[in-house]
Amino acid sequence: DSGVTQTPKHLITATGQRVTLRCSPRSGDLSVYWYQQSLDQGLQFLIQYYNGEERAKGNILERFSAQQFPDLHSELNLSSLELGDSALYFCASSPSGGSNYGYTFGSGTRLTVV
Amino acid sequence: EDQVTQSPEALRLQEGESSSLNCSYTVSGLRGLFWYRQDPGKGPEFLFTLYSAGEEKEKERLKATLTKKESFLHITAPKPEDSATYLCAVQARNSGGGADGLTFGKGTHLIIQP
Repeated sequence: DSGVTQTPKHLITATGQRVTLRCSPRSGDLSVYWYQQSLDQGLQFLIQYYNGEERAKGNILERFSAQQFPDLHSELNLSSLELGDSALYFCASSPSGGSNYGYTFGSGTRLTVV
Repeated sequence: EDQVTQSPEALRLQEGESSSLNCSYTVSGLRGLFWYRQDPGKGPEFLFTLYSAGEEKEKERLKATLTKKESFLHITAPKPEDSATYLCAVQARNSGGGADGLTFGKGTHLIIQP
Protein backbone atom coordinates (compact mmCIF):
# COMPACT_ATOMS: atom_id res chain seq x y z
CA ASP A 1 0.00 0.00 0.00
CA SER A 2 1.58 3.27 -1.19
CA GLY A 3 -0.55 5.48 1.06
CA VAL A 4 -2.30 7.14 -1.90
CA THR A 5 -5.89 5.92 -2.14
CA GLN A 6 -7.89 6.04 -5.35
CA THR A 7 -11.54 5.14 -5.76
CA PRO A 8 -13.18 3.49 -7.53
CA LYS A 9 -10.71 0.89 -8.83
CA HIS A 10 -12.82 0.15 -11.89
CA LEU A 11 -15.49 2.18 -13.67
CA ILE A 12 -17.54 1.29 -16.74
CA THR A 13 -19.74 3.96 -18.25
CA ALA A 14 -21.35 4.96 -21.53
CA THR A 15 -20.28 7.62 -24.00
CA GLY A 16 -21.59 11.08 -23.17
CA GLN A 17 -21.69 10.41 -19.43
CA ARG A 18 -19.86 12.15 -16.59
CA VAL A 19 -17.77 10.47 -13.89
CA THR A 20 -15.81 11.57 -10.83
CA LEU A 21 -12.58 9.93 -9.72
CA ARG A 22 -11.37 10.42 -6.17
CA CYS A 23 -7.89 10.55 -4.68
CA SER A 24 -6.71 10.79 -1.08
CA PRO A 25 -3.02 11.73 -0.91
CA ARG A 26 -0.45 10.20 1.41
CA SER A 27 -0.62 11.65 4.90
CA GLY A 28 1.29 14.94 5.05
CA ASP A 29 1.52 15.43 1.28
CA LEU A 30 0.19 18.76 0.01
CA SER A 31 0.48 18.21 -3.74
CA VAL A 32 -1.76 16.00 -5.84
CA TYR A 33 -1.09 15.16 -9.48
CA TRP A 34 -3.36 13.46 -11.99
CA TYR A 35 -2.05 11.32 -14.85
CA GLN A 36 -3.70 9.39 -17.67
CA GLN A 37 -2.13 6.17 -18.94
CA SER A 38 -3.22 4.66 -22.23
CA LEU A 39 -1.55 1.97 -24.30
CA ASP A 40 -0.58 4.28 -27.16
CA GLN A 41 0.24 7.49 -25.27
CA GLY A 42 1.86 6.19 -22.11
CA LEU A 43 1.62 8.24 -18.91
CA GLN A 44 0.45 11.80 -19.57
CA PHE A 45 0.42 14.57 -16.97
CA LEU A 46 -2.99 16.19 -16.62
CA ILE A 47 -2.96 18.63 -13.72
CA GLN A 48 -1.39 19.43 -10.33
CA TYR A 49 -2.89 20.95 -7.21
CA TYR A 50 -0.91 22.22 -4.25
CA ASN A 51 -2.68 22.89 -0.97
CA GLY A 52 -5.98 23.56 -2.71
CA GLU A 53 -4.70 25.68 -5.60
CA GLU A 54 -4.00 24.71 -9.19
CA ARG A 55 -0.22 24.71 -9.65
CA ALA A 56 0.48 23.28 -13.11
CA LYS A 57 -1.49 22.12 -16.09
CA GLY A 58 -0.57 19.51 -18.67
CA ASN A 59 -2.50 17.94 -21.52
CA ILE A 60 -5.87 18.15 -19.82
CA LEU A 61 -8.92 18.36 -22.07
CA GLU A 62 -11.51 21.09 -21.52
CA ARG A 63 -14.04 18.31 -20.78
CA PHE A 64 -11.94 17.37 -17.76
CA SER A 65 -11.64 19.34 -14.54
CA ALA A 66 -10.20 18.79 -11.11
CA GLN A 67 -10.16 20.30 -7.67
CA GLN A 68 -8.46 19.81 -4.31
CA PHE A 69 -10.52 20.18 -1.17
CA PRO A 70 -9.51 21.62 2.25
CA ASP A 71 -8.86 18.10 3.58
CA LEU A 72 -6.44 17.74 0.62
CA HIS A 73 -8.31 15.00 -1.18
CA SER A 74 -8.80 15.61 -4.89
CA GLU A 75 -11.40 14.79 -7.48
CA LEU A 76 -11.02 14.50 -11.24
CA ASN A 77 -14.22 15.10 -13.17
CA LEU A 78 -14.53 13.72 -16.69
CA SER A 79 -17.55 14.78 -18.74
CA SER A 80 -19.00 14.11 -22.20
CA LEU A 81 -17.00 10.91 -22.19
CA GLU A 82 -15.72 9.46 -25.45
CA LEU A 83 -14.42 5.98 -26.27
CA GLY A 84 -10.90 7.42 -26.41
CA ASP A 85 -11.09 8.45 -22.76
CA SER A 86 -10.82 4.80 -21.75
CA ALA A 87 -7.58 4.56 -19.81
CA LEU A 88 -5.97 4.13 -16.41
CA TYR A 89 -6.10 7.31 -14.37
CA PHE A 90 -3.47 7.68 -11.68
CA CYS A 91 -3.18 10.08 -8.83
CA ALA A 92 0.19 10.84 -7.26
CA SER A 93 1.14 12.93 -4.26
CA SER A 94 4.25 14.62 -2.92
CA PRO A 95 5.09 16.68 0.17
CA SER A 96 5.58 19.91 -1.77
CA GLY A 97 5.39 21.36 -5.27
CA GLY A 98 8.30 19.27 -6.40
CA SER A 99 9.97 16.38 -4.67
CA ASN A 100 13.41 15.07 -3.88
CA TYR A 101 11.77 11.80 -2.97
CA GLY A 102 9.73 11.21 -6.09
CA TYR A 103 6.01 11.13 -6.35
CA THR A 104 3.98 8.40 -4.69
CA PHE A 105 1.40 6.95 -7.05
CA GLY A 106 -1.89 5.30 -6.20
CA SER A 107 -3.02 2.06 -7.79
CA GLY A 108 -5.22 3.85 -10.31
CA THR A 109 -8.79 3.88 -11.57
CA ARG A 110 -9.44 1.89 -14.74
CA LEU A 111 -12.07 3.72 -16.78
CA THR A 112 -13.83 1.92 -19.60
CA VAL A 113 -16.16 3.94 -21.84
CA VAL A 114 -18.52 1.81 -23.91
CA GLU B 1 8.32 20.51 -25.89
CA ASP B 2 9.87 18.10 -23.41
CA GLN B 3 10.49 14.63 -24.83
CA VAL B 4 11.60 11.31 -23.36
CA THR B 5 12.53 8.28 -25.45
CA GLN B 6 13.28 4.93 -23.88
CA SER B 7 15.05 1.99 -25.48
CA PRO B 8 14.70 -0.84 -25.99
CA GLU B 9 10.91 -1.13 -25.85
CA ALA B 10 11.25 -4.68 -24.55
CA LEU B 11 14.16 -6.72 -23.21
CA ARG B 12 14.34 -10.37 -22.27
CA LEU B 13 17.30 -11.49 -20.14
CA GLN B 14 18.39 -14.67 -18.42
CA GLU B 15 18.65 -14.55 -14.65
CA GLY B 16 22.08 -13.14 -13.77
CA GLU B 17 22.59 -11.50 -17.19
CA SER B 18 23.39 -7.82 -16.60
CA SER B 19 22.23 -5.10 -18.99
CA SER B 20 21.33 -1.41 -19.30
CA LEU B 21 18.17 0.48 -20.19
CA ASN B 22 18.45 3.82 -21.97
CA CYS B 23 16.49 7.03 -21.52
CA SER B 24 17.18 9.92 -23.91
CA TYR B 25 15.62 13.25 -23.11
CA THR B 26 15.21 16.83 -24.26
CA VAL B 27 13.92 19.33 -21.75
CA SER B 28 14.08 23.08 -21.29
CA GLY B 29 15.71 23.38 -17.90
CA LEU B 30 15.96 20.00 -16.19
CA ARG B 31 14.77 20.03 -12.61
CA GLY B 32 15.03 16.27 -12.17
CA LEU B 33 15.08 12.93 -13.97
CA PHE B 34 13.08 10.12 -12.38
CA TRP B 35 13.09 6.34 -12.72
CA TYR B 36 10.02 4.31 -11.80
CA ARG B 37 9.14 0.65 -11.86
CA GLN B 38 5.60 -0.39 -12.82
CA ASP B 39 4.12 -3.85 -12.34
CA PRO B 40 1.03 -4.87 -14.36
CA GLY B 41 -2.17 -3.27 -13.06
CA LYS B 42 -0.33 -1.18 -10.48
CA GLY B 43 0.84 2.38 -10.13
CA PRO B 44 4.46 3.35 -10.81
CA GLU B 45 6.82 2.80 -7.89
CA PHE B 46 9.53 5.41 -7.32
CA LEU B 47 13.14 4.26 -7.71
CA PHE B 48 15.47 7.24 -8.17
CA THR B 49 15.73 10.97 -8.80
CA LEU B 50 18.83 12.39 -10.52
CA TYR B 51 19.45 16.12 -10.72
CA SER B 52 22.70 16.83 -12.51
CA ALA B 53 25.04 15.29 -15.08
CA GLY B 54 27.49 12.90 -13.50
CA GLU B 55 25.18 11.95 -10.67
CA GLU B 56 24.72 8.24 -9.85
CA LYS B 57 22.37 6.43 -7.48
CA GLU B 58 22.15 2.78 -6.48
CA LYS B 59 19.53 0.54 -4.95
CA GLU B 60 20.12 -3.20 -4.62
CA ARG B 61 20.76 -4.48 -8.19
CA LEU B 62 19.88 -1.17 -9.86
CA LYS B 63 22.14 1.78 -10.62
CA ALA B 64 21.01 4.95 -12.38
CA THR B 65 23.35 7.41 -14.09
CA LEU B 66 22.77 10.76 -15.77
CA THR B 67 24.42 12.74 -18.56
CA LYS B 68 23.26 15.97 -20.18
CA LYS B 69 21.28 14.06 -22.81
CA GLU B 70 20.49 10.63 -21.41
CA SER B 71 20.19 8.40 -18.39
CA PHE B 72 20.97 4.74 -17.99
CA LEU B 73 19.47 2.22 -15.63
CA HIS B 74 21.99 -0.57 -15.12
CA ILE B 75 20.68 -3.88 -13.83
CA THR B 76 23.32 -6.16 -12.35
CA ALA B 77 22.71 -9.92 -12.01
CA PRO B 78 18.92 -9.52 -12.29
CA LYS B 79 16.42 -11.90 -10.70
CA PRO B 80 12.96 -12.88 -11.99
CA GLU B 81 11.37 -10.49 -9.47
CA ASP B 82 13.03 -7.60 -11.32
CA SER B 83 10.65 -8.24 -14.23
CA ALA B 84 8.54 -5.11 -14.72
CA THR B 85 8.16 -2.05 -16.94
CA TYR B 86 10.76 0.60 -16.13
CA LEU B 87 9.69 4.18 -16.75
CA CYS B 88 11.87 7.25 -17.13
CA ALA B 89 10.46 10.75 -16.61
CA VAL B 90 11.78 14.32 -16.63
CA GLN B 91 10.58 17.34 -14.75
CA ALA B 92 11.21 20.80 -16.19
CA ARG B 93 11.42 24.12 -14.48
CA ASN B 94 8.39 26.18 -15.46
CA SER B 95 8.29 29.87 -16.29
CA GLY B 96 7.14 30.69 -12.78
CA GLY B 97 10.27 29.20 -11.29
CA GLY B 98 8.43 26.16 -10.05
CA ALA B 99 8.19 22.69 -11.50
CA ASP B 100 5.97 21.19 -14.17
CA GLY B 101 4.46 17.74 -14.03
CA LEU B 102 6.53 14.77 -15.10
CA THR B 103 6.95 13.91 -18.80
CA PHE B 104 7.23 10.14 -19.08
CA GLY B 105 8.76 7.87 -21.69
CA LYS B 106 6.78 4.85 -22.85
CA GLY B 107 8.92 2.49 -20.81
CA THR B 108 11.05 -0.61 -21.24
CA HIS B 109 9.28 -3.90 -20.59
CA LEU B 110 11.87 -6.11 -18.89
CA ILE B 111 11.49 -9.87 -18.53
CA ILE B 112 13.99 -11.90 -16.51
CA GLN B 113 13.81 -15.60 -17.22
CA PRO B 114 14.89 -18.12 -14.52
